[in-house]
Amino acid sequence: KAGVTQTPRYLIKTRGQQVTLSCSPISGHRSVSWYQQTPGQGLQFLFEYFSETQRNKGNFPGRFSGRQFSNSRSEMNVSTLELGDSALYLCASRTTTGKNEKLFFGSGTQLSVL
Amino acid sequence: GENVEQHPSTLSVQEGDSAVIKCTYSDSASNYFPWYKQELGKGPQLIIDIRSNVGEKKDQRIAVTLNKTAKHFSLHITETQPEDSAVYFCAASISSNYQLIWGAGTKLIIKP
Repeated sequence: KAGVTQTPRYLIKTRGQQVTLSCSPISGHRSVSWYQQTPGQGLQFLFEYFSETQRNKGNFPGRFSGRQFSNSRSEMNVSTLELGDSALYLCASRTTTGKNEKLFFGSGTQLSVL
Repeated sequence: GENVEQHPSTLSVQEGDSAVIKCTYSDSASNYFPWYKQELGKGPQLIIDIRSNVGEKKDQRIAVTLNKTAKHFSLHITETQPEDSAVYFCAASISSNYQLIWGAGTKLIIKP
């Protein structure tokens, strides 16, 4: 079974631009979560989608948004990029939501904002 | 809000020795505590988890202990090997929505 796939692997943008990251979950997984990882800050939860609906949201500004498609693939968008948005963005999938369950992570998209 | 504190941030041990990483959590209703290992260039991977109705769980060289009264849990790795070098994250579930609150991570270095 293929794992969680994130594209692109690396991305370089400049301040003020916008960016879209993509995540394909494990087949059969309907929940997709997004995390921001920065050195020393651990993993900060952005949001979780299940069946095309946002179920939970972390404490990030409205510049961060996402969506999920009917095939469970998900995209995350960041508008008006700031230098502080430079981070590794991780996507994780699981079969469902609403209970404690193992998360399967992709390798992430490394975003650099110049 | 809920938070998880993880210590130490970096741990260097001799190959073959044991390593212990500790976490404390704030939400007394948390009932699920996973540990993830992140190798360089990869996403985190679950290595062991424990639920609040259990005090200890073992899986070969790794074990996790939970003290609900003190609200802390620990990861123990015995007979460390070079492949154990990675960043380890602890997490605790939020009782209201099952989201995980993560510790800041521990970089484990195994010295040959």
